[in-house]
Amino acid sequence: ELKVEQNPLFLSMQEGKNYTIYCNYSTTSDRLYWYRQDPGKSLESLFVLLSNGAVKQEGRLMASLDTKARLSTLHITAAVHDLSATYFCAVGSGTSYGKLTFGQGTILTVHP
Amino acid sequence: DTAVSQTPKYLVTQMGNDKSIKCEQNLGHDTMYWYKQDSKKFLKIMFSYNNKELIINETVPNRFSPKSPDKAHLNLHINSLELGDSAVYFCASSQSETNTGELFFGEGSRLTVL
Repeated sequence: ELKVEQNPLFLSMQEGKNYTIYCNYSTTSDRLYWYRQDPGKSLESLFVLLSNGAVKQEGRLMASLDTKARLSTLHITAAVHDLSATYFCAVGSGTSYGKLTFGQGTILTVHP
Repeated sequence: DTAVSQTPKYLVTQMGNDKSIKCEQNLGHDTMYWYKQDSKKFLKIMFSYNNKELIINETVPNRFSPKSPDKAHLNLHINSLELGDSAVYFCASSQSETNTGELFFGEGSRLTVL
């Protein structure tokens, strides 16, 4: 059974600082997704990583995928308050492309 | 225009009742899903339909019955509601031909069973 673990689960950052959220998964997959969820809101797709070594950047966020290590990272550069949200990684399994197994989520709070 | 829309957004009901949640997507996707998010924010897939055909059916009590009248709509009917059914139910859609598996989620329907 595929298991996905994120850490940390809670992250309190000061504005301007850098930090990384880690996503480990237990079985082979080459499809990994990062989503953002604001309180009481939907899940917004941030990144789709489909191959080993994939790296994508959008603004202050950068995601990478190492399929051999079964690890993805979400790096936050110079955090700002607007990045405060819950971040989920999700891993695709087999040929059921929409069957995603989600991590527990990382609650990010950025303080002034 | 909302891409994936769900109704109702909030639903409060008594144990034992039957309720339905509706979902519609205007993205032209051929695959739709129901995911459940529990009180600890954990998300788990329940069902998936591709062109009105059920393709994913996770271990879900048979009190839950999805129905897809066409590829743009996916409804979820829940019989004999229990306290543990309280959660946020998210509808999502994707296009199978892209092979990316990227899901587009609705706003969620928060179900509270008293």
